[in-house]
Amino acid sequence: DIVMSQSPDSLPVSLGERATINCKSSHTVLHSSFNKNYIAWYQQKPGQPPKLLIYWASTRESGVPDRFSGSGSGTDFTLTINSLQAEDVAVYYCQQYYTTPRTFGQGTKVEVK
Amino acid sequence: DVHLVESGGGLVQPGGSQRLSCAGSGFRFESYWMSWVRQAPGAGLEWVASIKDDGSEKDYADSVKGRFTISRDNGQNSLYLQMDSLRGDDTAVYFCAREAPYGDYLYYFDYWGQGALVTVSS
Repeated sequence: DIVMSQSPDSLPVSLGERATINCKSSHTVLHSSFNKNYIAWYQQKPGQPPKLLIYWASTRESGVPDRFSGSGSGTDFTLTINSLQAEDVAVYYCQQYYTTPRTFGQGTKVEVK
Repeated sequence: DVHLVESGGGLVQPGGSQRLSCAGSGFRFESYWMSWVRQAPGAGLEWVASIKDDGSEKDYADSVKGRFTISRDNGQNSLYLQMDSLRGDDTAVYFCAREAPYGDYLYYFDYWGQGALVTVSS
């Protein structure tokens, strides 16, 4: 199985500042034939299901604010939240869909400093 | 709007069985792969099982293989998860999730239900 490791586990950020979450996979998730990275990012607020933010490592889902962006390739990926808003407080998960079983990172809790 | 609504959660004894249902609406249910993903209390997300749009292919996590069965009824726009031989570590919120709209398997999940809590305890 591909192991997804996120850092940090907890991230205190002041409102209006940038939050950067890292995700590392134990195996490349870059499909060379399609030149696509099989990585998605989700946001989960307390008591709610996960919400899709980013797919193909950097494509923003419709309706997601442009302060959210994804980057990276191969085994190292980043989710950036520019100018953190109060409503962005949540746990963020990366997920690989390169192979089965699809696996998730352990989550990063973003909170207001 | 896409809606996924789970039902059937509850308290079950170790070794017992439980059946979860998920009702889909707002999209062509019969055209999508569907999945179950679970989340133990205070923990992360774990993919459980997936089923092809016509029900002809299924995939399971090793942790549930041989104990859980995923199925669907496209006429009823419904997804099911039959859980047998339940153990304490199966305690979790079970989410129904729609596979991304590529008409194929192994993508991200673009819509999720609110989840159903299954507690396995004596």
